[in-house]
Amino acid sequence: DGGITQSPKYLFRKEGQNVTLSCEQNLNHDAMYWYRQDPGQGLRLIYYSQIVNDFQKGDIAEGYSVSREKKESFPLTVTSAQKNPTAFYLCASSIVRTLGRNQPQHFGDGTRLSIL
Amino acid sequence: AQSVTQPDIHITVSEGASLELRCNYSYGATPYLFWYVQSPGQGLQLLLKYFSGDTLVQGIKGFEAEFKRSQSSFNLRKPSVHWSDAAEYFCAVGPFGNEKLTFGTGTRLTIIP
Repeated sequence: DGGITQSPKYLFRKEGQNVTLSCEQNLNHDAMYWYRQDPGQGLRLIYYSQIVNDFQKGDIAEGYSVSREKKESFPLTVTSAQKNPTAFYLCASSIVRTLGRNQPQHFGDGTRLSIL
Repeated sequence: AQSVTQPDIHITVSEGASLELRCNYSYGATPYLFWYVQSPGQGLQLLLKYFSGDTLVQGIKGFEAEFKRSQSSFNLRKPSVHWSDAAEYFCAVGPFGNEKLTFGTGTRLTIIP
């Protein structure tokens, strides 16, 4: 079955440490996205990529970095510059629009990041 | 800038009762609208979407939503809820030609016997 795989499901970070969250999709989708979810705040866009080797900042990119070297993969690094990284992180993907219509995003099951 | 408001943070409904979750959006042109559902600790699942045409759209799990341009609303409805519908529901809007979505803050639905 096609889908989006996020790993690990739970991740712990020490102060001053960078951590990388994995996101892999086998849906052959062009676009991939990273969201941060905090209680009562909905989803906020961190970064997105519509094509390999290209990505754009979302609304809350500070303290995060990404790469898009392969179509299937869009890893997110939470750097030590992100002072409040505890959150639930969701990865999504979508077909880049066809027939002028935005296509729905498909989501992985998330990674919960906590600070030790 | 586009925005989405879900006025109800938490709703409690009896099993078998009808449900309506509110969503209001702000956008200058015709928006693309989505409803997603999230179970605890899980990702989001698409319930339904509106692009154009018939303003009443049907989705999965017996849900439907009605687009009302005059009210800038896209409310989600279900005639009879089941205990398995307990989850958090998110409304999202995306402008034409741009895959970036803006999400509301969500409505948590509790079902009581």
